[in-house]
Amino acid sequence: QQQVKQSPQSLIVQKGGISIINCAYENTAFDYFPWYQQFPGKGPALLIAIRPDVSEKKEGRFTISFNKSAKQFSLHIMDSQPGDSATYFCAASMKGNQFYFGTGTSLTVIP
Amino acid sequence: NAGVTQTPKFQVLKTGQSMTLQCAQDMNHEYMSWYRQDPGMGLRLIHYSVGAGITDQGEVPNGYNVSRSTTEDFPLRLLSAAPSQTSVYFCASSAYGTSYEQYFGPGTRLTVT
Repeated sequence: QQQVKQSPQSLIVQKGGISIINCAYENTAFDYFPWYQQFPGKGPALLIAIRPDVSEKKEGRFTISFNKSAKQFSLHIMDSQPGDSATYFCAASMKGNQFYFGTGTSLTVIP
Repeated sequence: NAGVTQTPKFQVLKTGQSMTLQCAQDMNHEYMSWYRQDPGMGLRLIHYSVGAGITDQGEVPNGYNVSRSTTEDFPLRLLSAAPSQTSVYFCASSAYGTSYEQYFGPGTRLTVT
């Protein structure tokens, strides 16, 4: 059973547009929700993360929106650039122990 | 500061063979973990450790063994390789008590024929 569900599987966005990736979870014990970016042939790298006591976190062009009551969180990439083309994974964890990952979203930003 | 290193980068095994995937980190991180990444399935946790001498199972532990004798090293052993273990394996570490941020290694691509 998938602990974290991610959509869409793939996304194509024009340069300068907004990319939105969504995730949903069931376990209310999760207390840490990171997003990872992965380029081909590389390991994932932490992009941004949020705790459930805040509804939004912004770092540069990247924003996480968190809806605790709906058990959903999303990644927004503003002013998307071709260099943002990568696979993005959401994840959830309880106290930094077991991490459960979504199935990934392949983002392509076309010039 | 090399971060998280993994060896080998590529490996081909025959069914039934055993091998050890190496993982080391030089950040003095307490938490280390192993994941496998398969197309369309994201990353799935195999085993993790919160300190030397302490290990625990993740989502998909069957067919894999781990041990943690030092803070720096966390090897993953395949006892009898099966084609279903063909995957890309990633090791990760974090400071755990002070930060949940995980740092991933470059991965090992394993093919079992």
